[in-house]
Amino acid sequence: KAGVTQTPRYLIKTRGQQVTLSCSPISGHRSVSWYQQTPGQGLQFLFEYFSETQRNKGNFPGRFSGRQFSNSRSEMNVSTLELGDSALYLCASRRQTGSYNEQFFGPGTRLTVL
Amino acid sequence: GESVGLHLPTLSVQEGDNSIINCAYSNSASDYFIWYKQESGKGPQFIIDIRSNMDKRQGQRVTVLLNKTVKHLSLQIAATQPGDSAVYFCAENSNDYKLSFGAGTTVTVRA
Repeated sequence: KAGVTQTPRYLIKTRGQQVTLSCSPISGHRSVSWYQQTPGQGLQFLFEYFSETQRNKGNFPGRFSGRQFSNSRSEMNVSTLELGDSALYLCASRRQTGSYNEQFFGPGTRLTVL
Repeated sequence: GESVGLHLPTLSVQEGDNSIINCAYSNSASDYFIWYKQESGKGPQFIIDIRSNMDKRQGQRVTVLLNKTVKHLSLQIAATQPGDSAVYFCAENSNDYKLSFGAGTTVTVRA
């Protein structure tokens, strides 16, 4: 079956702009988590959505937000972009909360902020 | 700060040798640990997991060891192959719906 897909794969923005990233989970998966990956900080948890509800949130400023739709697809939005937001943004899906051994990551969206 | 960390950022290993990747964690409440492999241009891929009520678990060519006394876990890869070249992450979960990742160890396999 199809894996987790993320669009776009690459994105270049300038400071102050906003960006929306999309994640389509594996069919049947209701939980979607988002992570930011940078060389300096590694993988850091942003938030998790399950059945359209945010279940948990990491230590990121309010400029980072997300949502999940009824078909489990998720989007994350970053407003007022800063240079430090340049990163690989990964989403991961699993059937339900827990079951991390059945969590699958997408290839990520590489965001560059100039 | 991070609750999970790795001892070494890089590891170079001869093809056919065994690899050992280490990870230390600080959260005593952590009860579930995962090792991930991330190849260039891809997202992390699940390798093996272990719960805190175990101290060893084996998979295909991989073994994870957990020492709760010193809050340390390791990933052993037997007969390392070129396809094992990647970045390896440990991650921990303490029942709050998220994973905390270590910084990663880049494994390079020498032919």
